[in-house]
Amino acid sequence: EVQLVESGGGLVQPGGSLRLSCATSGFTFSNYGMTWVRQAPGKGLEWVSSITSSDTIYHGKSVKGRFTISRDNSKNTLHLQMNSLRAEDTAVYYCVLGRISADGLDPWGQGTLVTVSS
Amino acid sequence: QSVLTQPPSVSAAPGQKVTISCSGSSSNIGSEYVSWYRQLPGTAPKLLIYESSKRPSGIPDRFSGSKSGTSATLGITGLQTGDEADYYCGTWDNSLSAGVFGGGTKVTVL
Repeated sequence: EVQLVESGGGLVQPGGSLRLSCATSGFTFSNYGMTWVRQAPGKGLEWVSSITSSDTIYHGKSVKGRFTISRDNSKNTLHLQMNSLRAEDTAVYYCVLGRISADGLDPWGQGTLVTVSS
Repeated sequence: QSVLTQPPSVSAAPGQKVTISCSGSSSNIGSEYVSWYRQLPGTAPKLLIYESSKRPSGIPDRFSGSKSGTSATLGITGLQTGDEADYYCGTWDNSLSAGVFGGGTKVTVL
């Protein structure tokens, strides 16, 4: 069974940094692209970043230059380094297997809440 | 403002059918597969449709997807109270080199 477990969320001040992690199991991590999707309180889904199995990286416009997605195939773990955080980055961040094109995003982790506030 | 446009809400009686539209452009829906997701209250989204019209294993055939030009449609037949949820379309945008979602559609069973 595929499992995705996010960690690293919490309260951070504006301008601060946070590193999210997603521990995975149940599939050959190195063979798959992975994606981060976020959802602000009461709002819709926003695609954040994705990384292919060959380490090609894509970031959304709202996070480009501030967030960096990475993967550690030796530990089957996905990361999202978030710098220069803003209030509008407050959201639940989901780790998801796959890329939004082709096979779609499935399954999703339970999410981790990031709150940016002073 | 989302790159993909969905109606904010749709509703129908139990047993009836609803359709949810997702409108985009040539740089996204017009040239890429579309996927659909359902999000029940308080839970993570779940994949319903991939490659515009395929259902993952375990998804009942009450759910269907189609695509024509720069628009896609999700259909739900035999509507059940358990189908009350938010539904999102998503795809890749080649101009943005980024993934995009619709704003979401709330389905209400009357």
